Amino acid sequence: AQSVAQPEDQVNVAEGNPLTVKCTYSVSGNPYLFWYVQYPNRGLQFLLKYITGDNLVKGSYGFEAEFNKSQTSFHLKKPSALVSDSALYFCAVRDSSGGSYIPTFGRGTSLIVHP
Amino acid sequence: GAVVSQHPSRVICKSGTSVKIECRSLDFQATTMFWYRQFPKKSLMLMATSNEGSKATYEQGVEKDKFLINHASLTLSTLTVTSAHPEDSSFYICSARDYRAPGMNTGELFFGEGSRLTVL
Repeated sequence: AQSVAQPEDQVNVAEGNPLTVKCTYSVSGNPYLFWYVQYPNRGLQFLLKYITGDNLVKGSYGFEAEFNKSQTSFHLKKPSALVSDSALYFCAVRDSSGGSYIPTFGRGTSLIVHP
Repeated sequence: GAVVSQHPSRVICKSGTSVKIECRSLDFQATTMFWYRQFPKKSLMLMATSNEGSKATYEQGVEKDKFLINHASLTLSTLTVTSAHPEDSSFYICSARDYRAPGMNTGELFFGEGSRLTVL
């Protein structure tokens, strides 16, 4: 079975400050991990993914995420937040040993960047 | 990258009517598409998996007769909300996987822009 948790409903950060959006997961095998961003009344846009290799993954718009196997986490980070980063962020996981290729999504975290 | 187009982006209809939403993969062939419903509190609910040339697979609790899904070609899936009622008002999002892409089996999905349905 696969599951993912985004423990924060909302994250507030001041523009220019670093941001972190948390994600933890649970899988039986190895995880395939994804971050997507959703702007109001829009679909989800792919940000980055971890499949294998380097634990630090760089993605679109200056975002990065670090895969931590011991902590089963895949937190999304950005060194300096922009007001335009304000959006809804979804973490997703797929168990590499699972029979289904359908990923499980977290409930989403609203990121609000204050000017 | 793979592009998924969804239409219409917004639709308002009267209670009791049916509404069709289209999901197209523009630059790739999608043997499988997924339909999600997003509730006001953000969470995504997978409604069904749409398979080209065969019947859709619905998630538990989703009414098959209410939400008709057809995947007649490798680039088009449709969701028809039949006899819509105000409680069907929601944001519906489709997604697809590119079966030829290296990441096909990883779970990476490409999403449409979503369709906002309002039933009066």
